[in-house]
Formats: sequence, C-alpha cells, structure tokens
Amino acid sequence: ETGVTQSPTHLIKTRGQQVTLRCSSQSGHNTVSWYQQALGQGPQFIFQYYREEENGRGNFPPRFSGLQFPNYSSELNVNALELDDSALYLCASSNPGQGPIGGYTFGSGTRLTVV
Amino acid sequence: DQQVKQNSPSLSVQEGRISILNCDYTNSMFDYFLWYKKYPAEGPTFLISISSIKDKNEDGRFTVFLNKSAKHLSLHIVPSQPGDSAVYFCAAKEMDSSYKLIFGSGTRLLVRP
Repeated sequence: ETGVTQSPTHLIKTRGQQVTLRCSSQSGHNTVSWYQQALGQGPQFIFQYYREEENGRGNFPPRFSGLQFPNYSSELNVNALELDDSALYLCASSNPGQGPIGGYTFGSGTRLTVV
Repeated sequence: DQQVKQNSPSLSVQEGRISILNCDYTNSMFDYFLWYKKYPAEGPTFLISISSIKDKNEDGRFTVFLNKSAKHLSLHIVPSQPGDSAVYFCAAKEMDSSYKLIFGSGTRLLVRP
C-alpha cells in the first residue's frame, strides 16, 4: 500500500508568480485535502476534493485553487504569490467510507518559499 | 480566532517518565479530537483519537483524556521513550464538516535519555 506522495519537496518562487503543487493519494483513498502550515503554527485547512469537486473550503482567497483527477490525485494552484504564502503545504488523503478518523494520511509536504 | 490551542510550545521529559501534552478548545460543536505526531521532514502521523461522547481512549502507551465541561483534552505517554521526541498536534473536527480538521500550534516534546 503506497502512501501519499507530494511533489516537489522544495520550491522557490518569486512574488507575483504562480505555482502548482502535486499530490498522489494513498491507494483506496478518494478524498484529498490540502493544508498550509506556516512556521511555528499548526496546519490550516485550505480545501477538500471529493469525486473531482471541491466540497469544503477554509479561509483562503480564490487565488488558491485546486483540481482532483479521476485517479484521485490532486493539484494545488496558487496565483499571484505573496511573501506570506511561504509555508509547508500538506496534502492528506482519506476514504470517508473507512470511518471518520484515523484514515487520514498526510504526505511529507512541499516547502514553498516566496522571495 | 484560535479554536484549538496548545499553550505549551515545548516540553522536556526524562525517559521512562510520563509526558502530558495539553490542548484547549473553544468550539462546542467539535465531535472528534485527534492527536498527530510530526517528525522533521515528514507529514503528520495519526496517533490516537477520541469521540466527544467518551472521556478516555487508550492505545498502548498513549491515552487521551477529554474533559468536555472544561473544553480540555490531554495526551499521556507512559513510559516516554526517546523515539517519542517530535512535535505533537492536537486537532478537532466539527460535526458534519467532513474531514476538515482544525489544528493547534503544536507542542515540541523532547524525551531525554
């Protein structure tokens, strides 16, 4: 059983640029969530995708957008990057049919630095 | 507005002793609480959870206690081992919010040999 894979592991972008982060969900998981973890803070929920549609969103502006593909992998896109977007971006996959909690598997994250 | 708070950024404990990590919350609509452990360069790993209808859940060396009236939960690790050294996050889920988790800011646990 493969876990959650995220790419790239590290990324440096310039303010104003756009970035795409990728996530392959764990085998058997059909739901993907994205979290932003700023330095010294806990992860903050960005949004969740189920069956290729966004079905939950946190307090993030529209320049944060995502996609989920038929194989349940996912992308997080951030436009017009700001310095405060520098953070660790975590992807988590799950299968609601396997019970409420515990089946939520995180990837190792993508460290984004905006300069 | 922080709905989940971990007020101790760090904790140092001697190997073999008990580690107690604390978490406070403000939202009475939370129905599930979880603890995650995070090592550097890795994603958070699920450790243990508790439903709001229970006051205790135990899994090996790990026990989570929930005090709903005080809106407080704690994670006990007994006995603590050096491999337990990591950042521990408390998280909570609202009723009917699917899998959206609200995390605390974490407590860095150091278990000294």
